[in-house]
Amino acid sequence: NAGVTQTPKFQVLKTGQSMTLQCAQDMNHEYMSWYRQDPGMGLRLIHYSVGAGITDQGEVPNGYNVSRSTTEDFPLRLLSAAPSQTSVYFCASRFDRSAEKLFFGSGTQLSVL
Amino acid sequence: AQSVTQLGSHVSVSEGALVLLRCNYSSSVPPYLFWYVQYPNQGLQLLLKYTTGATLVKGINGFEAEFKKSETSFHLTKPSAHMSDAAEYFCAVSEGSYKLIFGSGTRLLVRP
Repeated sequence: NAGVTQTPKFQVLKTGQSMTLQCAQDMNHEYMSWYRQDPGMGLRLIHYSVGAGITDQGEVPNGYNVSRSTTEDFPLRLLSAAPSQTSVYFCASRFDRSAEKLFFGSGTQLSVL
Repeated sequence: AQSVTQLGSHVSVSEGALVLLRCNYSSSVPPYLFWYVQYPNQGLQLLLKYTTGATLVKGINGFEAEFKKSETSFHLTKPSAHMSDAAEYFCAVSEGSYKLIFGSGTRLLVRP
């Protein structure tokens, strides 16, 4: 199993550009989520999904869109990037509600100029 | 609403010394508590977890944590630090739902 795979690893955008961060897992996990990590603020939950076709907002959802058309994939879309979205983004998944362990991807470092 | 406070953004210890990383939580119901570790340029890995039962929880790499309900704490300890323990450590809380809320993290530096 590859686990949780995130692409790209690095990305530089200009203000106003759009892009999609990709996340895929091959563990048949029901739950998937996106976090952003900023210095001194830990990880903050952006959006999460409890199954295909079901998504919900986390702590900091503004400026981000998600969809879950398949169990495996959970892309994060920035429609109009802003410098405040410069961060490291992590995708994480777990099997279901009763599963306690989150599996993390290796992260995407995003810079918005 | 659940929240987590980690006291000390940086902790420095000598190799072989005791490691103590502090975590306090706020939760309206019995919480699930976690410690995760992040090595440079990597994602987070689960160190240990508390859900129910024994309040002293043992994890990987010699770490353990004790759930103290009266103090709303879940401090992480290791009797003897190793150079390979240098990393960032995150405490997290869940109220049994899908949401996992993380603290701001504590960076552990181990001096030779």
